[in-house]
Amino acid sequence: DSGVTQTPKHLITATGQRVTLRCSPRSGDLSVYWYQQSLDQGLQFLIHYYNGEERAKGNILERFSAQQFPDLHSELNLSSLELGDSALYFCASSFSGGARDEQFFGPGTRLTVL
Amino acid sequence: AQTVTQSQPEMSVQEAETVTLSCTYDTSESDYYLFWYKQPPSRQMILVIRQEAYKQQNATENRFSVNFQKAAKSFSLKISDSQLGDAAMYFCAYRPQMDSNYQLIWGAGTKLIIKP
Repeated sequence: DSGVTQTPKHLITATGQRVTLRCSPRSGDLSVYWYQQSLDQGLQFLIHYYNGEERAKGNILERFSAQQFPDLHSELNLSSLELGDSALYFCASSFSGGARDEQFFGPGTRLTVL
Repeated sequence: AQTVTQSQPEMSVQEAETVTLSCTYDTSESDYYLFWYKQPPSRQMILVIRQEAYKQQNATENRFSVNFQKAAKSFSLKISDSQLGDAAMYFCAYRPQMDSNYQLIWGAGTKLIIKP
């Protein structure tokens, strides 16, 4: 158990819908990263938050948005869902977000868009 | 742009034998970190081993060791005395040292099969 929690574990929805994925970082960690893993592929970086502020964006679609709240939990919002958005979404946390810090991964949320 | 390449989609090894997984990367940076992550069927991402580019000594964690060749931009993972529990997807990842965006850049993964 990494100490990072993600809810829900599984999500099944229809095209055009909107969903929210939630992540709680390890106690004391200030940074949260979101990654997308399509079927049997490597992870793609989506976005990084540090202490409530957006630090970096990766290959995140305009239909996707995220935020980190004062209690440091983070939410990833996916809207106007398409079949291709079906994937495993990981959240990871680290203490400061520095290069040396290990990123601890949550168990992921599996999103299926029908 | 930095890229990570894992050229072996799948590898298999007999239990108790040794296997090496390959990883190459492309970067113009001189300082960075390299990682191997394991993803078992549970889908949890587990850090196996980490290497700092400025360190010449290869990292070792119990049965797992790396062969880091900085000039060749190669970072292979050796698993000794393979066990059934080692069966998983293995991902190589890169992170720059100086970039303020400390995202991990990932390879496509290698599926490791352990034959009993």
